[in-house]
Amino acid sequence: QLQLQESGPGLVKPSETLSLTCTVSGASISSSNSYWGWIRQPPGKGLEWIVNIYYSGSTYYNPSLKSRVTISVDTSKNQFSLKLSSVTAADTAVYYCARHRYQLPEVPYYFDYWGQGTLVTVSS
Amino acid sequence: DIVMTQSPDSLAVSLGERATINCKSSQSVLYSSNNKNYLAWYQQKPGQPPKLLIYWASTRESGVPDRFSGSGSGTDFTLTISSLQAEDVAIYYCQQYYSTPFTFGPGTKVDIK
Repeated sequence: QLQLQESGPGLVKPSETLSLTCTVSGASISSSNSYWGWIRQPPGKGLEWIVNIYYSGSTYYNPSLKSRVTISVDTSKNQFSLKLSSVTAADTAVYYCARHRYQLPEVPYYFDYWGQGTLVTVSS
Repeated sequence: DIVMTQSPDSLAVSLGERATINCKSSQSVLYSSNNKNYLAWYQQKPGQPPKLLIYWASTRESGVPDRFSGSGSGTDFTLTISSLQAEDVAIYYCQQYYSTPFTFGPGTKVDIK
């Protein structure tokens, strides 16, 4: 059974960089039918897709966040990571990693496996 | 960007009764070459991540009870819970994957009357 687990600091200071890692177990991150993504949810609000990455390094970004987002994949550790720079209070949210089901040559499809999420609070 | 809207914002339904949630996209999410609607539905219970219920607008994910069904095409979609159970209390989201950025609806909260 595929499982995803987010890890990283729960508190980040304004203007600093948020860094999270997602560890995938039960499947290879190099699977050809998977993109790996990050989605966030501010407290009491809806879902916002942030970014996706394929094991080869191919990426899709949400244009609204692209200038501040870096995503990377480490196939040797079966992990992928998110960095969000210059954070403000508006970036306070539960951050989820998820598998984005994929089939060539299209864009990724639906999110079929999710991590439990990790709350990141931006505050001094 | 494709904007997703949902109605109602919330609804309360008696146990065993039908719940209907609507989702509308600002442009069609029907891909003409394969006649598939690039639309998914998720269920989110408090303190939990979203759970995939439906994809391709009407295909139930494995393990999802058959009281959940999806319908619609183009820009208008519906999630129906045919006989509401206590464990169905949750927020339901639609999501389009027709084009990037992938976008979600604002959610519909379902409660017991």
